Amino acid sequence: KAGVTQTPRYLIKTRGQQVTLSCSPISGHRSVSWYQQTPGQGLQFLFEYFSETQRNKGNFPGRFSGRQFSNSRSEMNVSTLELGDSALYLCASSLGWESTYEQYFGPGTRLTVT
Amino acid sequence: GQQVMQIPQYQHVQEGEDFTTYCNSSTTLSNIQWYKQRPGGHPVFLIQLVKSGEVKKQKRLTFQFGEAKKNSSLHITATQTTDVGTYFCAGGSNYKLTFGKGTLLTVNP
Repeated sequence: KAGVTQTPRYLIKTRGQQVTLSCSPISGHRSVSWYQQTPGQGLQFLFEYFSETQRNKGNFPGRFSGRQFSNSRSEMNVSTLELGDSALYLCASSLGWESTYEQYFGPGTRLTVT
Repeated sequence: GQQVMQIPQYQHVQEGEDFTTYCNSSTTLSNIQWYKQRPGGHPVFLIQLVKSGEVKKQKRLTFQFGEAKKNSSLHITATQTTDVGTYFCAGGSNYKLTFGKGTLLTVNP
């Protein structure tokens, strides 16, 4: 079974631009969660989608948005990029959106904002 | 909101020494999960605990869930260089999984 895939793997953007990251979950997984990882801050939760509906949302500004498609693939968008948005963005898929489901992480997208 | 604190933030040990990381929640948890992230990699699920006082072992790794379901620990016996990485706990409550900031373990051979 193929794992979680994320594209692109690396991205360099300029402050003020916007970016869209993509995540394809494991086949059969209907929940996708997004996390921002920076040194010393651990995994900060952005949002979670299940069956195309946002089920949970973290404490990030409205510049961060996401969506999920009918095939469970998900995208997240960051508008008006700031230098502080430089981070590794991880998505994780699971069978369901209850907290007892194991999360399978993708390799991440490394975003650098200059 | 729910907060999950993890200590220590960093731990450096000599190969063969034991290692323990602790996880504490501000609220009672329904479950706790542990993940390991190797340097340059992504988090990988290790184990889940759901019962009060539960103890699970995976070879040299021992996981415990507190009686009050508000704390957990991961203990590694006789560390090896392959144990290097960041260990995260994640507490589950109300359909939400909250990750701690992780403990970075380095092992001196």
